[in-house]
Amino acid sequence: EDKVVQSPLSLVVHEGDTVTLNCSYEVTNFRSLLWYKQEKKAPTFLFMLTSSGIEKKSGRLSSILDKKELFSILNITATQTGDSAVYLCAPLKGGSNYKLTFGKGTLLTVNP
Amino acid sequence: SQTIHQWPATLVQPVGSPLSLECTVEGTSNPNLYWYRQAAGRGLQLLFYSVGIGQISSEVPQNLSASRPQDRQFILSSKKLLLSDSGFYLCAWSAGTGRLNGELFFGSGTQLSVL
Repeated sequence: EDKVVQSPLSLVVHEGDTVTLNCSYEVTNFRSLLWYKQEKKAPTFLFMLTSSGIEKKSGRLSSILDKKELFSILNITATQTGDSAVYLCAPLKGGSNYKLTFGKGTLLTVNP
Repeated sequence: SQTIHQWPATLVQPVGSPLSLECTVEGTSNPNLYWYRQAAGRGLQLLFYSVGIGQISSEVPQNLSASRPQDRQFILSSKKLLLSDSGFYLCAWSAGTGRLNGELFFGSGTQLSVL
């Protein structure tokens, strides 16, 4: 059975702090790993990671994948209140249907 | 550009009543379509996915069913709702199997409360 474990489940920080969110996974036929941000309703796409050791960056957010140890991290530097959200990681299984298995998410709260 | 519409946004239904949630995608053809449910404090659970008209795969046994009567239309149904069907339902699409991209695009969701 596929497993996705995100930690911590929740995190409260102050503006300007740096946070690291973790995602470990065990899925068959692994293809890539995706990160999403969910603020109120629909999750929005952040990153897709396919290769180990290659950091992807978008502004203050960055992410990296370790396919040998089966985990990924999402870093957010200089956090802002607008970063408050649930962050979801989702390994993508290969094959014909591209199914994503989501973790429970990390609830990040950034206080001013 | 592609858009996904999901409705209604909020629904309150009594136990034992039927359910029909609809989702349509515009601006793309032959998408993969998905229904997810998110219970409070939980991740997204895949309920159904479809790779084409009339082709439905169920991920978990449950009280719900799905149908895809047209290429860009996906419907989630129940004949008799249970209390445990309450949750946040999300429709999503991704590019069909001809493209190597697993990114999902989500609708705005339906908050279903069964009372």
